[in-house]
Amino acid sequence: NAGVMQNPRHLVRRRGQEARLRCSPMKGHSHVYWYRQLPEEGLKFMVYLQKENIIDESGMPKERFSAEFPKEGPSILRIQQVVRGDSAAYFCASSPTRGIGNEQFFGPGTRLTVL
Amino acid sequence: GQQVMQIPQYQHVQEGEDFTTYCNSSTTLSNIQWYKQRPGGHPVFLIQLVKSGEVKKQKRLTFQFGEAKKNSSLHITATQTTDVGTYFCPFNAGNMLTFGGGTRLMVKP
Repeated sequence: NAGVMQNPRHLVRRRGQEARLRCSPMKGHSHVYWYRQLPEEGLKFMVYLQKENIIDESGMPKERFSAEFPKEGPSILRIQQVVRGDSAAYFCASSPTRGIGNEQFFGPGTRLTVL
Repeated sequence: GQQVMQIPQYQHVQEGEDFTTYCNSSTTLSNIQWYKQRPGGHPVFLIQLVKSGEVKKQKRLTFQFGEAKKNSSLHITATQTTDVGTYFCPFNAGNMLTFGGGTRLMVKP
């Protein structure tokens, strides 16, 4: 059973460009979470999605960031008009169900560098 | 918002020494999870504790959940260089994990 897959693993963008990060959850998992980690810091929750639905986006910046989890295909985290402060590691996690007590399985992350 | 505080932030130990990290909450927790993140890696689930006073062991790692379910600890016996990394005890709010800064363990060979 393959783990959570993320691509690309490393992404370099210039200021003002768009970044698209992809996440394929573990087989059988329908719950996807996105986290951002700045250097030397803990992970910060961004958004929680189920297929075709955003359940909780309380951690998403109000502008430039969006996420989706379509019926078919991976979950996408999209950052428009990137700025240097967007440079971070973005981790996706998945779980089979939601709720307190469910462990989350993390992908290897996408390291975004904005020049 | 609710969060779990973790101490220490950093710990340097000599290989073979023991190591302990502590998590404390101001409110009662329904459960607590522990994750480990190696340098340059991603968080990996270690264990979940649910019951008051629960103790679980994984080889050299011992996890405890306090009687009041407000604190937890992770103890590593005879550390090895493979134990290097940051250990997190995020608060599980159902929709998300709320991570603190964790405890970064460095082991000198």
